[in-house]
Amino acid sequence: EAAVTQSPRNKVTVTGGNVTLSCRQTNSHNYMYWYRQDTGHGLRLIHYSYGAGNLQIGDVPDGYKATRTTQEDFFLLLELASPSQTSLYFCASSDADNSGNTLYFGEGSRLIVV
Amino acid sequence: GQGVEQPDNLMSVEGTFARVNCTYSTSGFNGLSWYQQREGHAPVFLSYVVLDGLKDSGHFSTFLSRSNGYSYLLLTELQIKDSASYLCAVRANNNRIFFGDGTQLVVKP
Repeated sequence: EAAVTQSPRNKVTVTGGNVTLSCRQTNSHNYMYWYRQDTGHGLRLIHYSYGAGNLQIGDVPDGYKATRTTQEDFFLLLELASPSQTSLYFCASSDADNSGNTLYFGEGSRLIVV
Repeated sequence: GQGVEQPDNLMSVEGTFARVNCTYSTSGFNGLSWYQQREGHAPVFLSYVVLDGLKDSGHFSTFLSRSNGYSYLLLTELQIKDSASYLCAVRANNNRIFFGDGTQLVVKP
């Protein structure tokens, strides 16, 4: 089973602060995704990537940057954090074959912007 | 546009069944998945379908109709522990995977 590890698990920052959320997957998957989830809602796609150096824009990209430095590592950057970015963030990975619908999730990173 | 719609809530009785509906619109359909999510935890994969028809996986079965942009997840012989949120996810072009808001299933004794 794919292993996806996120850090930090919890983070509190001030408005205007700089935050980096990290994600590492160890099953050599091509695709990695960043989602945010707010109370009572499903997951909304922020950015995703199909390999090192690649970045695809998701549905709610404003205020977020992302970088895929290696096949294993995908980072989400909030350079000027705002209270509206208080959320639970999930990273996920998947392979690019016919089973590519299976997303393997990390445990989530809870971010609070005060 | 593209989107996934699910009912917010569903209630059923232990020992019976529940059907969670999902409708979607997308350009370039490349499969649909269902996930179970418990409060404060990551979603867990349940089922994946890409062809029309019913896929029977025992406790969970999944139906897909691509022409109608419709799927459902059927849970049989419900147990109290099946109470959770069920998320429908669609894979579109370029492996973009987007989710509905989830259906909160409550199973009563």
